[in-house]
Amino acid sequence: EAGVTQSPTHLIKTRGQQATLRCSPISGHTSVYWYQQALGLGLQFLLWYDEGEERNRGNFPPRFSGRQFPNYSSELNVNALELEDSALYLCASSLASSTQYFGPGTRLLVL
Amino acid sequence: GENVEQHPSTLSVQEGDSAVIKCTYSDSASNYFPWYKQELGKGPQLIIDIRSNVGEKKDQRIAVTLNKTAKHFSLHITETQPEDSAVYFCAASIGSGGSYIPTFGRGTSLIVHP
Repeated sequence: EAGVTQSPTHLIKTRGQQATLRCSPISGHTSVYWYQQALGLGLQFLLWYDEGEERNRGNFPPRFSGRQFPNYSSELNVNALELEDSALYLCASSLASSTQYFGPGTRLLVL
Repeated sequence: GENVEQHPSTLSVQEGDSAVIKCTYSDSASNYFPWYKQELGKGPQLIIDIRSNVGEKKDQRIAVTLNKTAKHFSLHITETQPEDSAVYFCAASIGSGGSYIPTFGRGTSLIVHP
């Protein structure tokens, strides 16, 4: 069974641009979570989607947004990119409120 | 909200030694405690988890212990091997119902020297 997949693996943008990151959950999982992992800061919770709805968001500005599609895949959008947005963005999926399984991440570099 | 402290931030051991990573949490309502291993260039992978109705759980060379009274839990790796070298994260959450958002520790970089 395929795990969580994310695309692209790497993304280079310049300050002020927009970035779109994609995630496909494990088949059958309805919840998708997004995390930011900046160097030395651990995993910071960004967003949680379940059954197409945003259920919770972390302490991040509104320029971080996303959505979940009917097939449960998800997209994270970051507008007006800033240098400090450079990080590894991780997606995780789960079935209802259970263990989260992570994808390999998208490394975003903002120049 | 929940706060998870993880120590040490770096742990260096010789192959064959044991390694112990400790975490404390603040919210007594937390009842699910997973541990993740993140190798370089990869996403975190679940290696073991424990629920608050259990005091200890083992899986081959890995064990996790939980002290609910003291609100701390630990990861124990015995007979370490070079392939155990990675960053390990602990997490705490309320695992059933509600908004299941685990709070992660800052990670421990484990280095196993051959």
